[in-house]
Amino acid sequence: DIVMTQSPDSLAVSLGERATINCKSNQSVFYSSNKKDYLGWYQHKPGQPPKLLIYWASTRESGVPDRFSGSGSGTDFTLTISSLQAEDVAVYYCQQYYSIPTFGQGTRLEIK
Amino acid sequence: EVQLVESGGGLVHPGGSLRLSCATSGFIFSDYWMNWVRRTPGKGLEWVAKIKQDGSDKYYVDSVKGRFTISRDNAKNSLYLQMDSLRADDTAVYYCAKTSEVKQRYRALDMWGQGTMVIVSS
Repeated sequence: DIVMTQSPDSLAVSLGERATINCKSNQSVFYSSNKKDYLGWYQHKPGQPPKLLIYWASTRESGVPDRFSGSGSGTDFTLTISSLQAEDVAVYYCQQYYSIPTFGQGTRLEIK
Repeated sequence: EVQLVESGGGLVHPGGSLRLSCATSGFIFSDYWMNWVRRTPGKGLEWVAKIKQDGSDKYYVDSVKGRFTISRDNAKNSLYLQMDSLRADDTAVYYCAKTSEVKQRYRALDMWGQGTMVIVSS
């Protein structure tokens, strides 16, 4: 199975500042035939279901604010929140769907 | 509006069984691969199982193979997870989740239910 490792495990950022979460896979999730990275990012708040934010590593899901962006390819990926809002406090997960799906361990994002 | 509503969770002794259900509406259920994902306190989110549109193809995480069975009833727009030989480390909130693109196996999960809690304890 593909192992996904996120860093950091937790992160505290001031309101309005940038938050950056990294995700690394132990093998490439880039599929050369369609030139897509099979990588998604999810936001999970307590008492709510996980919410898909980003798919294909950098495509924002409909309705997701544009302060959320995804980047990277192959084995290294980043989720960036450009200006942190109070409602962004959550645990964030990356997930590869290149093969049997696996998630990163999660990154807890808090307000500093 | 797309809706997924899980039910069937509860407290069960180690070695026991539970059957989870997921009732769906608002989309053509029979067009999509469907999944079960669980959240455990210690491990975060863990994908558990997926099933093809017609039920002919199924995949499981190694830790549940031989103990859990995913199934679906397209006439009832419902997904199921039969969980046998339950262990303490199966304790989790179980979510059903829809694959984001019609008839595609390898896609992100774009809609999730609210989840149902399973506690395995003596």
